[in-house]
Amino acid sequence: GAVVSQHPSRVICKSGTSVKIECRSLDFQATTMFWYRQFPKQSLMLMATSNEGSKATYEQGVEKDKFLINHASLTLSTLTVTSAHPEDSSFYICSAWVGGLNYGYTFGSGTRLTVV
Amino acid sequence: GNSVTQMEGPVTLSEEAFLTINCTYTATGYPSLFWYVQYPGEGLQLLLKATKADDKGSNKGFEATYRKETTSFHLEKGSVQVSDSAVYFCALSQGGSEKLVFGKGTKLTVNP
Repeated sequence: GAVVSQHPSRVICKSGTSVKIECRSLDFQATTMFWYRQFPKQSLMLMATSNEGSKATYEQGVEKDKFLINHASLTLSTLTVTSAHPEDSSFYICSAWVGGLNYGYTFGSGTRLTVV
Repeated sequence: GNSVTQMEGPVTLSEEAFLTINCTYTATGYPSLFWYVQYPGEGLQLLLKATKADDKGSNKGFEATYRKETTSFHLEKGSVQVSDSAVYFCALSQGGSEKLVFGKGTKLTVNP
């Protein structure tokens, strides 16, 4: 149980275009989701925390106008990278908080974004 | 603020060797502690967790004990396999739906 499905797994886009990444909770309601960015051979950097129905809380240094996060339902959160540039190329991972007896965090499988 | 410091890698072992990956933390109160594993090109999978002092988390032969007195949560496995090759992350949260704070990760390679 507690599966988060993240799509697409890989995407290549042209510089200046926008890309949307989706994360869906398949068998639970995700009231809180997290978006991370991971650079090669490095740890995960938290970008923002989103709560269903509210505006996302961005970490210091993350451009909220560039990385748009929407969490309009209890099963879907999206990250849109707007006007993408090569420096936005990275591995993006979503995570959801799972409550209940087996509480914890479950992660999507990640999206490899390459901007050319 | 909260932080996690884990042993820098990479770590290379032969199959059936003993594994220890050190992890220490700085946090107020009693955080929950986690170990996650990441295989190449994939997201993170929970390996084990502990929520209070002296708790031992265990899964797939891996173990870690929450030591409040030394603020540590070292990961151990008695006999590693080639399939254990991955990156391991130690992490903490202050509970509830608070964000996870990660260590930098330790890459483990197990050779046959």
